[in-house]
Amino acid sequence: AQRVTQPEKLLSVFKGAPVELKCNYSYSGSPELFWYVQYSRQRLQLLLRHISRESIKGFTADLNKGETSFHLKKPFAQEEDSAMYYCALDSGGYQKVTFGTGTKLQVIP
Amino acid sequence: DGGITQSPKYLFRKEGQNVTLSCEQNLNHDAMYWYRQDPGQGLRLIYYSQIVNDFQKGDIAEGYSVSREKKESFPLTVTSAQKNPTAFYLCASRMGNQPQHFGDGTRLSIL
Repeated sequence: AQRVTQPEKLLSVFKGAPVELKCNYSYSGSPELFWYVQYSRQRLQLLLRHISRESIKGFTADLNKGETSFHLKKPFAQEEDSAMYYCALDSGGYQKVTFGTGTKLQVIP
Repeated sequence: DGGITQSPKYLFRKEGQNVTLSCEQNLNHDAMYWYRQDPGQGLRLIYYSQIVNDFQKGDIAEGYSVSREKKESFPLTVTSAQKNPTAFYLCASRMGNQPQHFGDGTRLSIL
């Protein structure tokens, strides 16, 4: 069975401080991992996926298969980064996508 | 913002009543999904459909039913058997292994 764990329900950081949102997964196959973000009063939307290796809004995430982790990082937090962040694991094709419980990021001015 | 549309935005249900939540997409996506979002529990998968006339149970399918008669539509019925239906329901769609697109959601409350 596939599982995604986001250990922090709430993460508060000061503006300009580094951010790391943790995500660990368990899956026997070769996973595809995503980070989704939900800003206040907006739809859940894709932030980034591991295969694209892009940096979106200054966020990056590296897949570490040895530690089964896909942590989301940003060197300098901005107030507009305050949102709910979800890590998701895709088992491929049209199969189910499993989400973590989410982490609320609060950036303090 | 088009793409995937959920209606209504708010829905109220009386005890013992079935209600149906609508989800329509114009993205020509093959796969569609229903999630339930509760505080502190993230998104939990109710049902998903890979193609028309086919669907699979997710992790919390009990008390719910779906149909997929058209590619564009994937309605979710919350039956009276669902004992704790009050939640925020999200519909999503995607093509292949591309990222999912989400609707705005429907908030269901019990009167």
